[in-house]
Parts: sequence; C-alpha cells; structure tokens
Amino acid sequence: DAKTTQPTSMDCAEGRAANLPCNHSTISGNEYVYWYRQIHSQGPQYIIHGLKNNETNEMASLIITEDRKSSTLILPHATLRDTAVYYCIVRVPISSGSARQLTFGSGTQLTVLP
Amino acid sequence: KAGVTQTPRYLIKTRGQQVTLSCSPISGHRSVSWYQQTPGQGLQFLFEYFSETQRNKGNFPGRFSGRQFSNSRSEMNVSTLELGDSALYLCASSPGTADTGELFFGEGSRLTVL
Repeated sequence: DAKTTQPTSMDCAEGRAANLPCNHSTISGNEYVYWYRQIHSQGPQYIIHGLKNNETNEMASLIITEDRKSSTLILPHATLRDTAVYYCIVRVPISSGSARQLTFGSGTQLTVLP
Repeated sequence: KAGVTQTPRYLIKTRGQQVTLSCSPISGHRSVSWYQQTPGQGLQFLFEYFSETQRNKGNFPGRFSGRQFSNSRSEMNVSTLELGDSALYLCASSPGTADTGELFFGEGSRLTVL
C-alpha cells in the first residue's frame, strides 16, 4: 500500500468547512483513497473513499487531484462532534480472497472550535 | 441494522493471566479482523478471519490468537499477558467478498494489564 502524509493537527471554526489534506505521491493506478476518523475512545468510522473522481456522501466530500498524488477531505459544515483523528489510507480495493488489512498512519487531529 | 458488538468493553488483568475478547460482526458479514491500538504504536493489524479460516496475520507473537465460529462471531485470546499488552482492541467486520474494502469497527475492548 502507498504511504500517506498528513498534517499532525488542524483547527477549524464550528460551522466552517474543514479541509483535511493528504499526500500520497506514490499511489499506483489501482489504489483507492479511503478516509476514516476516530473520535476519542471509539472505534474508527468509515467516511468515504474514491479512485479518481470526486466523491460526495452525507458525511463529506473527497477531492482527488488529477495526478492522484494528493487528496482533500472536506467536511462542509464542521460541528464540535467532528473533532476526531482523521486517517487517510491508500490501498488496492478488496477482492475475494484478499486480506482485509488496513494500514493506519498517524492521522490528523482535527479540533473544531466553538 | 445492529453494528459490531464487542465484549467486554473494559477489563483489568494481571501479568501472566490470559484474556478472551469477543466480537459479533454485522449480520451477514463474514469477515472479522482485529486491531490493537496503543498510544505509541497506533492502530496495528492483528489478524483477519473469513468463513472460520484465518486469512491474514499481522506481526504479533503467538500469544495472540483468534478464531471464528460458523455464525461469524469471533474471539481473540491473549495468553501470558504482559504490561505492553495494555491497549484498545478493536474488531472490524465487512462482507468479506468482493467489495470496496470498507471496514465497520466496534467500540473496542480496553484491556489494562497490571
């Protein structure tokens, strides 16, 4: 799996958009970008994933650059409950018979300020 | 649909003892994987089970073992506990066949070894 680089921490004002960057310059053509978050003392929560097109769901938007070497997770209207560690993971999608291992880096601690 | 359930949520053991943790995956999910999370090492993959077979294993000593039952419920066991085994143990489930690799995590079992 390709390595990812994320800032250690970020702050965001409540109600504003939170933009979390991730660098994955060694990503290969068939690797997807996944985002998870972990609120303190809880299990990680899946947010979104994508290959090359921008993706949006009820939680967030994922913007992947055209060269796929970086991406940005956008929380459009951050709330206090979005305070968490956000993990960017790059890996080949699972196919039958493959292992289900995710490699979590250090992530970005996002703090949403009132 | 009920989420991933882990029991017990908290437990305290002493060095040399053994511990068994339980995980009930989301109904219909056949893959269960286990992760250890510590402040120093972050999230580390232990092993994954699919249809009662261990499909992949992380880099942990043989004191860490697991199994999966025919109803997909899984247990992990740590024998001869050491102080360094104090951690949050997370279980994650997924359908287990061709999919996009999203994992659904439980709340974890927090083990303290004294």
